[in-house]
Amino acid sequence: AQSVTQLGSHVSVSEGALVLLRCNYSSSVPPYLFWYVQYPNQGLQLLLKYTSAATLVKGINGFEAEFKKSETSFHLTKPSAHMSDAAEYFCAVSGSARQLTFGSGTQLTVLP
Amino acid sequence: DGGITQSPKYLFRKEGQNVTLSCEQNLNHDAMYWYRQDPGQGLRLIYYSQIVNDFQKGDIAEGYSVSREKKESFPLTVTSAQKNPTAFYLCASSIDHYKNIQYFGAGTRLSVL
Repeated sequence: AQSVTQLGSHVSVSEGALVLLRCNYSSSVPPYLFWYVQYPNQGLQLLLKYTSAATLVKGINGFEAEFKKSETSFHLTKPSAHMSDAAEYFCAVSGSARQLTFGSGTQLTVLP
Repeated sequence: DGGITQSPKYLFRKEGQNVTLSCEQNLNHDAMYWYRQDPGQGLRLIYYSQIVNDFQKGDIAEGYSVSREKKESFPLTVTSAQKNPTAFYLCASSIDHYKNIQYFGAGTRLSVL
């Protein structure tokens, strides 16, 4: 079985501040991990992926995430938030069944 | 440009009616997926297909049906047996089911009249 927990359904940051979105997973096998972003009434866009190579993964739009096996975490960060980062973010895990299991999402608000 | 096309963008269903959502991809991907998205619940897998003429039920298949007659097409039918069909439906594809790096279409929003 595999599962994903995203801590905080809503996160607000000021423009220029650090963005930190938390994701913890469980998987019975070494997982593949993903972060996706969704803008209103649109599909999901892949931000970055971890597939058992480097533990620090860089993605698009200045985002990065670090795979920490000991903490079963894959938190998403960006050093400086931009207004255009306001969206919903989903963490997902692919485990033994090779099906994606998604977290319930974190809505990011960026304050001017 | 390669991508995944979902149509229509908005769809309305009358009581007792079956409706079909279209999903087409020109990425030459083997695997395709249908998800349902409800507010605050993330995405839930309805059906997936690893190869032409084969498909598997996901977590919430009841009231839905699919076909995979062509590699590029994976239509989803929402039948009258689905009593709560109002949701945002997302189609995705991946080069293969093992790597499972999925790319998504823009979605279809289904509402009940």
